[in-house]
Amino acid sequence: ETGVTQTPRHLVMGMTNKKSLKCEQHLGHNAMYWYKQSAKKPLELMFVYNFKEQTENNSVPSRFSPECPNSSHLFLHLHTLQPEDSALYLCASSQEEAVRTQYFGPGTRLTVL
Amino acid sequence: KNEVEQSPQNLTAQEGEFITINCSYSVGISALHWLQQHPGGGIVSLFMLSSGKKKHGRLIATINIQEKHSSLHITASHPRDSAVYICAVYGGATNKLIFGTGTLLAVQP
Repeated sequence: ETGVTQTPRHLVMGMTNKKSLKCEQHLGHNAMYWYKQSAKKPLELMFVYNFKEQTENNSVPSRFSPECPNSSHLFLHLHTLQPEDSALYLCASSQEEAVRTQYFGPGTRLTVL
Repeated sequence: KNEVEQSPQNLTAQEGEFITINCSYSVGISALHWLQQHPGGGIVSLFMLSSGKKKHGRLIATINIQEKHSSLHITASHPRDSAVYICAVYGGATNKLIFGTGTLLAVQP
């Protein structure tokens, strides 16, 4: 039912690996978001892109590097992660970066060994 | 202390029961979301409201801006309602979404 897809759904990586998470939205939205959901903690906003421009970096470590080549696609490049980075990473989109309903993807379950 | 607090954290109900989940927040807000997250991770937006009450099927959401409180009610609960229900507000200094930790609901047949 969701218009927001994420790949892969599950990812296991070592601390020295480099991997990328992909998000695609088919809703014609202009704003896209990356969230991190760790066990027993609220969702944390990581990055916001509005019309392909980054408008929010919520003090995220540089080992997470976002990329937004167009309004429909959002990537999260990962390198030299730590075990505490293991979490569910959720992508969302909305019509614009304002008070609008956000539509979430299914998430990528990341495990860092 | 989180800016958005939910209660209870865990709730077990019997099928058919009336369920209430509460959300209190400590910041000024422009709107409040109720979200549903099923096992496996996918999140669905149930309601966005800034005043009064909204109803969709068996779900009802209310908000009291003066008291900084919102409730989500489920009438005639069903096992398929089992999920985590998350309250989130657009508020604070940056008017970004601030999330509660969620309420895990299990409805038993």
